[in-house]
Order: sequence, then C-alpha cells, then structure tokens
Amino acid sequence: KNEVEQSPQNLTAQEGEFITINCSYSVGISALHWLQQHPGGGIVSLFMLSSGKKKHGRLIATINIQEKHSSLHITASHPRDSAVYICAVRFKGGTSYGKLTFGQGTILTVHP
Amino acid sequence: GAVVSQHPSWVICKSGTSVKIECRSLDFQATTMFWYRQFPKQSLMLMATSNEGSKATYEQGVEKDKFLINHASLTLSTLTVTSAHPEDSSFYICSAPTGGGTQYFGPGTRLLVL
Repeated sequence: KNEVEQSPQNLTAQEGEFITINCSYSVGISALHWLQQHPGGGIVSLFMLSSGKKKHGRLIATINIQEKHSSLHITASHPRDSAVYICAVRFKGGTSYGKLTFGQGTILTVHP
Repeated sequence: GAVVSQHPSWVICKSGTSVKIECRSLDFQATTMFWYRQFPKQSLMLMATSNEGSKATYEQGVEKDKFLINHASLTLSTLTVTSAHPEDSSFYICSAPTGGGTQYFGPGTRLLVL
C-alpha cells in the first residue's frame, strides 16, 4: 500500500528556533512535494524534490531516496511560519500524471 | 510563477441545489487537473482526476453522478456538486501539474449547504 507518514502531527516552537518536520513513505517515488497551507486554506508549493537538497530562504528540504525519508527544516522560525505543512509524494508507476498522495500534515505554531 | 484560480471562493446554497466550481490554470495549459476535498483538521483527500477531452477518473468511494467533472479546455475544469446536501459541505481544492511536475493549487472553495 502506498503510504505517507509525517511527524510530528503538532509542533510548537518559540520564535527563532530551528524546526524539523519529517516525512516517510512506503515505496519508490518519482517526486516529493512539501506544501504549506495557511489558516485561510490556500496551499503553496514550497519544494519539489527527487533527490538531494533544496534551499529557499530560511527553508531547507532534504530527501534520502534509499531510506525513503524527507525532512523540511525551518531556520530562525517566525510566527508567520505558523501553518500546516504537508508532505505529498508522486509514487512511481502511477497511471495519472501528477497524482499525489498526501501525509496527514504537521500543524506548526511559532510563538513570539 | 504559475497560477491556478478557483471560483467561487465561498458558496452557500440550499439543500437539493447544484453548485458548480471552476478551476482555471491562468498561464499554463493543464491536460490534467485534480480535485480534492478537505474536512476540518484533516489532510486533502483526492476525489478525482480531471482529464482534458476525456472522462474523469474517480477515486474509490466518490460518486461520479454526485460530483460531475468536466474538463472542456486545457485551462478549465469544473466540478459540479449535484443535489447538494449538508454532508457535502466542505473545502474543495483543485490542483494542476505543469510539464515539469510542479503542482499548483487553487485557493479553494468553501461550500456550505444549508
């Protein structure tokens, strides 16, 4: 069964802390996405990874294909980073181009 | 970057009526679009894959006669919730992948059925 597991489900941090959110998946993938969903509901694609590491501002995403694991890091966290972070993967062999399977999401709250 | 729009952003309707939600890719062509629903404090649930020029592919447990999908052009897919009932109240989101695989999500539509 194609599954995606995220941890932790809830994360509370103080402003300035380094944050890590983890994502594990069950079988081979074509790509992994990290998404951000704000309270209003809109979803923003932060990263798409198939190998290695990507960095954008204070956000860093890494993926280890052999271990079937990815991490999203936020350096110097800020209250505006408070959101739900979702890991989504495109499993290999799917019949629909772009079809994603989603993790359950991590609710991040950063306090000032 | 690429943009996907949805309309309307909010809709309130009476039980028994039908509601149409539009999803548009504004600056790229999307032969495939995806429709999701999301309940409070839960992750996205894929409802169906919308294919331009052919029938949509529905996920298990999603009624195709209840949720009608039409993908009439390379930039527009519509989801019609037919004979809506209060249990259909939810947040509906669409997404479209570009040729490079990046997914762009619409802002979502909140449906409340009274």
